[in-house]
Amino acid sequence: AQTVTQSQPEMSVQEAETVTLSCTYDTSESDYYLFWYKQPPSRQMILVIRQEAYKQQNATENRFSVNFQKAAKSFSLKISDSQLGDAAMYFCAYRVYSGGGADGLTFGKGTHLIIQP
Amino acid sequence: GAVVSQHPSWVICKSGTSVKIECRSLDFQATTMFWYRQFPKQSLMLMATSNEGSKATYEQGVEKDKFLINHASLTLSTLTVTSAHPEDSSFYICSASLLHYNEQFFGPGTRLTVL
Repeated sequence: AQTVTQSQPEMSVQEAETVTLSCTYDTSESDYYLFWYKQPPSRQMILVIRQEAYKQQNATENRFSVNFQKAAKSFSLKISDSQLGDAAMYFCAYRVYSGGGADGLTFGKGTHLIIQP
Repeated sequence: GAVVSQHPSWVICKSGTSVKIECRSLDFQATTMFWYRQFPKQSLMLMATSNEGSKATYEQGVEKDKFLINHASLTLSTLTVTSAHPEDSSFYICSASLLHYNEQFFGPGTRLTVL
């Protein structure tokens, strides 16, 4: 079974600085997807970024980028120019690729990100 | 686009009663819907996967007779917590996906409190 590990229960960063959230995973599959989700106090899950395992190029979305190391099974999230609105729980998630989109997500335990003004 | 709603947003019930939670995809037809459970300050755990017109597939350790899932149409899935007990109190989140699409769209969640 696949597992997702987030070893940082909480991270703190100064506004406008850069922070990196760590995530490792374990799977025997070769085709899969990795995600970072943000969950603010409203508890609405918001997709931050997605990475397909077959793509070597790291995904980027504006201030958010990932460092995907497939061999090491590592998938870290870098947030540049941190903003107060980035404060939230961040979950790393994994989904196997089955071609039909019918597989649920496996989540890590989450990292609580605090932005210091 | 890709909006998923849940109803109710919160519910309080007495121990022993049943509670139904609805999950609707408002602007798309969802081939698959998922139900997750999140305890306070914890992660989301997949409970079950439901495809329209088929029986739900439950994750190991989830009691299918306690958590009844119905996916009668491409826009609606329901989760019924039967004979609820205080330990069933949790935050229940649904998500929906399209066939061959890589993203799941999450509902806002339902907070269940069983007294």
